[in-house]
Amino acid sequence: EMQLVQSGGGLVQPGGSLRLSCAASGFTFSNYWMSWVRQAPGKGLEWVANIKEDGSEKYYVDSVKGRFTISRDNAKNSLYLQMNSLRAEDTTVYYCARFGWERNFDLWGRGTLVTVSS
Amino acid sequence: DFVMTQTPLSSPVTLGQPASISCRSSQSLVHSDGNTYLSWLQQRPGQPPRLLIYKVSKRFSGVPDRFSGSGAGTDFTLKISRVEAEDVGVYYCTQAIEFPLTFGGGTKVEIK
Repeated sequence: EMQLVQSGGGLVQPGGSLRLSCAASGFTFSNYWMSWVRQAPGKGLEWVANIKEDGSEKYYVDSVKGRFTISRDNAKNSLYLQMNSLRAEDTTVYYCARFGWERNFDLWGRGTLVTVSS
Repeated sequence: DFVMTQTPLSSPVTLGQPASISCRSSQSLVHSDGNTYLSWLQQRPGQPPRLLIYKVSKRFSGVPDRFSGSGAGTDFTLKISRVEAEDVGVYYCTQAIEFPLTFGGGTKVEIK
């Protein structure tokens, strides 16, 4: 069964850092682009970042550029999101998602909540 | 950036009746490779999103055939031919023609 299992969320103070992880199984992880998408409580979806199969290309939404870093370890079938200089507005549920060959989000993790508060 | 606008915000529907959701992009979603990268996602209450439709009209694996997508250029539609109780949730369109990837604001489908 293909799945994405997320970990690493929690409560962090403004200005702090947190690293999210996403472990993939049931498919050849190194063959796919991967994404992070977030959703504030009761709000819509916002794309955060994408990374190419081999990690050579990365793209970010403007609001996280310079603060967040997407990365992957294909040997460990894992995706990461390093979040620095966190702000209250970064308080959302973060989903990892597989970015399929047809340019779609075709597999999703269950999400992990990040709360930025003092 | 590509701005995706969905209407209506909410769609109360009687069980067994059809539902239709519109999505309009601020720019054409036709890629230079000839494909149109417009997808539809469903998010049931308390669940992560799930892919329903990709490249405008292709149903993803396991998606019931009561869901269909249509459209071209900048205007797209998701239709549910006969709404069932399990279809309650929020539906999002999304474009993947270029970064930043963007989503519509969502349309809530609920039962009358």
